[in-house]
Parts: sequence; C-alpha cells; structure tokens
Amino acid sequence: GQNIDQPTEMTATEGAIVQINCTYQTSGFNGLFWYQQHAGEAPTFLSYNVLDGLEEKGRFSSFLSRSKGYSYLLLKELQMKDSASYLCAVTAAGNKLTFGGGTRVLVKP
Amino acid sequence: DTAVSQTPKYLVTQMGNDKSIKCEQNLGHDTMYWYKQDSKKFLKIMFSYNNKELIINETVPNRFSPKSPDKAHLNLHINSLELGDSAVYFCASSKQGAVTDTQYFGPGTRLTVL
Repeated sequence: GQNIDQPTEMTATEGAIVQINCTYQTSGFNGLFWYQQHAGEAPTFLSYNVLDGLEEKGRFSSFLSRSKGYSYLLLKELQMKDSASYLCAVTAAGNKLTFGGGTRVLVKP
Repeated sequence: DTAVSQTPKYLVTQMGNDKSIKCEQNLGHDTMYWYKQDSKKFLKIMFSYNNKELIINETVPNRFSPKSPDKAHLNLHINSLELGDSAVYFCASSKQGAVTDTQYFGPGTRLTVL
C-alpha cells in the first residue's frame, strides 16, 4: 500500500516563503507530483519530480529525496492568490496517482 | 476553450435514485479517469480508461459504472445512491496514461445525496 503525509494547514504572510513537506511510503515509486487546488475548483498541475534534487519554476520550487521518501514544495514571494490547498501525489505501481490529504495554505496580508 | 468539462456542476438528489455525470476532454488524450474527493479532501482514484478500455478499477461498489463511448468521453453512472456517495467527483485526462504524464482535471461535480 501507499502512505502519504503532509501537514493539514499552514499560515504565512504575503511576501514570505512557505515550505510544504510531504513524506511518502510506497512500493515501486515512479515520480511525485504537486498540484494546487483553490477552494471549489479543480486541481491544477504545479510540478513533477522523479530524480533527486530541486526543480525550480518561477516562484515555486519542488524538491525530492527518493532515499528519504521526502519532498517539499517551496513557495516564494507569497501572494494572496496563493491561498489554496497543495496536494502531494505519488505515482507507483499500476500507474495510479495516489494523493495525500492536501495542505491548506492561508496567506495573510 | 475548456480542456476537461463535466456536467452537471452540482447534483442534489434523494437516496435510492440513479444519476449520471458526464465528462468530455478536447485535449486529444488517450486516458481518462474518475476521482472521488470526500469531505476530508482526499482525492481517490476510482476508474481509468485508455482508448475506451478499462485499465484501473479500484475497489468501489458495483453501483458505480463507468462508460466510455469514445476516447474523448467518460461518463459515470451511479445506481441506488447512498448518503455516503456525497462528495465531489472529478474527471481527469492524460496523454497516454504513462506514469510521467500530467493529469488535467475537470471542474468537478458536487454530488449531494439527501
């Protein structure tokens, strides 16, 4: 089976940096995705990591350590529109995407 | 120009009824999915079709039956609705269903069973 853990909620100030951690246990790891989901909307793709290291994409970066079963999503220069849930998802055996419960980020002025 | 669309967006119905949710994608993708997101916000895969062929069938009650008339459409029919079926149902698609393919989600259908 698979187990994915991420914090339930985080609060940060506009302009600051927030790091959302995700730990996973899975058999047959094939990559890790981060999705953003605003309230009442569809999840949208942010990043994909399959090799160890940091992937940077504008204000958002994602890091993966396969040996530790660990990833984080880094959000820099936070904006009010970044208030959303951030979902960590792992692709493993059977080409299935398994999601964590999501981390709700609240950005305050 | 919607990539993945679902109808209806909201569905309120009584226990015991039968209902369908429709999904269409205009991305030219081969693979489509149905997910259920419960009140605790966990997104769980239910079904996946590749070119009209069922490839993922998770442990869901057989009251749920997906149907794919062509690779651009994947509908979900639910018989004898129960209170526990209340959730948001998301349709998604990906290019070929490969592990590295990004999945694109529809806007969701909020189902409320009374």
